[in-house]
Amino acid sequence: AQTVTQSQPEMSVQEAETVTLSCTYDTSENNYYLFWYKQPPSRQMILVIRQEAYKQQNATENRFSVNFQKAAKSFSLKISDSQLGDTAMYFCAFMNYNNNDMRFGAGTRLTVKP
Amino acid sequence: GAVVSQHPSWVICKSGTSVKIECRSLDFQATTMFWYRQFPKQSLMLMATSNEGSKATYEQGVEKDKFLINHASLTLSTLTVTSAHPEDSSFYICSARALVRHGSYEQYFGPGTRLTVT
Repeated sequence: AQTVTQSQPEMSVQEAETVTLSCTYDTSENNYYLFWYKQPPSRQMILVIRQEAYKQQNATENRFSVNFQKAAKSFSLKISDSQLGDTAMYFCAFMNYNNNDMRFGAGTRLTVKP
Repeated sequence: GAVVSQHPSWVICKSGTSVKIECRSLDFQATTMFWYRQFPKQSLMLMATSNEGSKATYEQGVEKDKFLINHASLTLSTLTVTSAHPEDSSFYICSARALVRHGSYEQYFGPGTRLTVT
């Protein structure tokens, strides 16, 4: 079974600074997807960024980028120029290529301080 | 983008009663939907995979007779919590799988349903 580990329960960053959230996972699969989701107080899950395991190039979405290290099974999220609206819970998730069920890490609560 | 709705957004019921939660994909068809449960300050835990026209697949430890799932159409899945008890109080989130590009899939999440059992 796949497991996803987020070792940072809480993090904080000053507005406009950069922060990196860590995620590691365990799987025997070769084809899979990795995601970072944001869950604000409204609790709506919002997709931040996705990475397909077969792609070597790290995904980037505006201020959000990932460092995907397949051999190390590591998938960290970097948020640049942090904004107050980035304050939320962030979940790392693994999705199996075949059956598509998604497994989440425990989450990291990020607080952006003014 | 793809939108998934849930109804109701918040429900309070008495212990021993049953409550139904609906999950709809509004602008796409979803052969597969997923149900998650999230306790306060915890992560999302997959409860079951709902496949249109067939029986749901439940995760280990989830009682299929207590959490009835019906995926009657390509846009609707329902979760019925039967004989609810206070320990069933939680936030229930559904997601719907959509084919996005090049044969890859993505899940779109509903806004969630807060269930409180008194």
